[in-house]
Amino acid sequence: KQEVTQIPAALSVPEGENLVLNCSFTDSAIYNLQWFRQDPGKGLTSLLLIQSSQREQTSGRLNASLDKSSGRSTLYIAASQPGDSATYLCAVRGGTGGFKTIFGAGTRLFVKA
Amino acid sequence: DTGVSQNPRHKITKRGQNVTFRCDPISEHNRLYWYRQTLGQGPEFLTYFQNEAQLEKSRLLSDRFSAERPKGSFSTLEIQRTEQGDSAMYLCASSFTADNSPLHFGNGTRLTVT
Repeated sequence: KQEVTQIPAALSVPEGENLVLNCSFTDSAIYNLQWFRQDPGKGLTSLLLIQSSQREQTSGRLNASLDKSSGRSTLYIAASQPGDSATYLCAVRGGTGGFKTIFGAGTRLFVKA
Repeated sequence: DTGVSQNPRHKITKRGQNVTFRCDPISEHNRLYWYRQTLGQGPEFLTYFQNEAQLEKSRLLSDRFSAERPKGSFSTLEIQRTEQGDSAMYLCASSFTADNSPLHFGNGTRLTVT
């Protein structure tokens, strides 16, 4: 059974700091991995999608990497801003999860001004 | 592309009542997914459709839950005889059929059962 774990569960950093969020998954036979952002009481906004054949994706200050063989992904946020405060969710599709996408519990990020 | 739309945004109901939620996916998307999310947790898969066919249901989906996608476009999720434990955010997502397609989520329906 596919399981997704995110570390840390919560993180508080001063504005301007670079930070790394971690995600691990148990079954490496995935189709893709997607990072989402969720603001309180809202739906999920897709940030980055990494296909199984890719190693990383970049969008602005965000960079996500994927190491399928070790079952790990990282989301790097450069020069953090208070507006980055949100919950960041990692999700994988494939492996023993089949066609559905399996989520981690998320990392709650707070960026202090 | 107007995105995934969910209605209502919020629903408060008394225990034992039935509720129905609606999801309108992105029009070109064949696949539609329902997830449930409780506070502090990631979304949990409930069920998904490819066109009008319901292809998988989670064991989380008790007999009180039913989902339909009658014409392969919008979908409804009905909860009968609601219980306090059903209080959660219900999220809908859609995607293309290709297995490597990304999910696009709506803003969810927040259900509170009193």
